[in-house]
Amino acid sequence: DQQVKQNSPSLSVQEGRISILNCDYTNSMFDYFLWYKKYPAEGPTFLISISSIKDKNEDGRFTVFLNKSAKHLSLHIVPSQPGDSAVYFCAARRYNFNKFYFGSGTKLNVKP
Amino acid sequence: NAGVTQTPKFRILKIGQSMTLQCTQDMNHNYMYWYRQDPGMGLKLIYYSVGAGITDKGEVPNGYNVSRSTTEDFPLRLELAAPSQTSVYFCASSPGTLDGELFFGEGSRLTVL
Repeated sequence: DQQVKQNSPSLSVQEGRISILNCDYTNSMFDYFLWYKKYPAEGPTFLISISSIKDKNEDGRFTVFLNKSAKHLSLHIVPSQPGDSAVYFCAARRYNFNKFYFGSGTKLNVKP
Repeated sequence: NAGVTQTPKFRILKIGQSMTLQCTQDMNHNYMYWYRQDPGMGLKLIYYSVGAGITDKGEVPNGYNVSRSTTEDFPLRLELAAPSQTSVYFCASSPGTLDGELFFGEGSRLTVL
């Protein structure tokens, strides 16, 4: 029973355009969400997070949007760069429970 | 600052062998985790710990054991290796704060033949 889902295994985008990665969750008790980036042969690294009291959080080229009613979040990367090519994982957690649940990842390819 | 360190990075085991994946962190984090990642799949939680002496099962604990005798170390033990345990294993730690994130090690690739 996968509680966090990323339904797009891959995404290809032209350099300079916007990349939009999507994530859905089923557990309405989740109220803290994170995005991780992973390069081959490396561990995942934290990218950006959002709590349920917000619907948007920005950090430079990265913006995460949260739609609690739809149990959906998305990561926008603008403008996309070739160095953004990686696998992106969505994760969710309940406050004070400290168990993080991950989606299956979306492989982003940014073409020069 | 080393962060989370995992050893070994690669290992090949025969069916039925045992081994321990080592994990240590130098950030004084109370929370530590073991995840596995199978090809094309997400990260599945094997075991986690909220502090020295305290461990609990995650989503896929069968075939594994853990211990947490110190804040820094969280080894993962495979007692009787099976081909289904072929995977990449990631250790992670977290400060356990409300907005705390996970810090991952570089991973250990294990193949069971």
